[in-house]
Amino acid sequence: DTGVSQNPRHKITKRGQNVTFRCDPISEHNRLYWYRQTLGQGPEFLTYFQNEAQLEKSRLLSDRFSAERPKGSFSTLEIQRTEQGDSAMYLCASSAVLGTEAFFGQGTRLTVV
Amino acid sequence: DQQVKQNSPSLSVQEGRISILNCDYTNSMFDYFLWYKKYPAEGPTFLISISSIKDKNEDGRFTVFLNKSAKHLSLHIVPSQPGDSAVYFCAANGYGGATNKLIFGTGTLLAVQP
Repeated sequence: DTGVSQNPRHKITKRGQNVTFRCDPISEHNRLYWYRQTLGQGPEFLTYFQNEAQLEKSRLLSDRFSAERPKGSFSTLEIQRTEQGDSAMYLCASSAVLGTEAFFGQGTRLTVV
Repeated sequence: DQQVKQNSPSLSVQEGRISILNCDYTNSMFDYFLWYKKYPAEGPTFLISISSIKDKNEDGRFTVFLNKSAKHLSLHIVPSQPGDSAVYFCAANGYGGATNKLIFGTGTLLAVQP
């Protein structure tokens, strides 16, 4: 499978715990995006990387959120001290630098109880 | 403030007929627009896009129309098939498609009845 892969698919955590999600983009894609989708809403942009450089962060990404893309390959999104409001689907997408189409993974559904 | 709006939460059409999904935007800086389709438990899948220098783009059964003066775009699916049943998201950005930092609408659930 050469698509965007996200792990885990589902995560249930207790409030206050830290969680980390992983995204493996399509191998030749330089750009990697994180989005968050809550019920009844469209995906909301969180951050994106070109290779290992994090080029932009949304103001939705509070200090409890951090994303990394070491070596410009896979990426991780960590949420510290989770809150119930963090419950959402976290989507990763990748694209070529000159590509106008982003390919999305299946997402990680986070439930904070 | 919702910059991309899809005012119809759902749409039901008969198989073989035309499906028309609508999208309005408020930001005049947007110059690239996309439609994504999403099945349950899957990520969004790119469908078709249009640059603001065009007013129509066609790909098989899918056609997107852009009316810049009205800040409105629509997706036409002809003929509609049961496999088209999904949530359709309109998205936009102001980078001419050079990046996929996108602003999405809230989606329209299309149900195609056999």
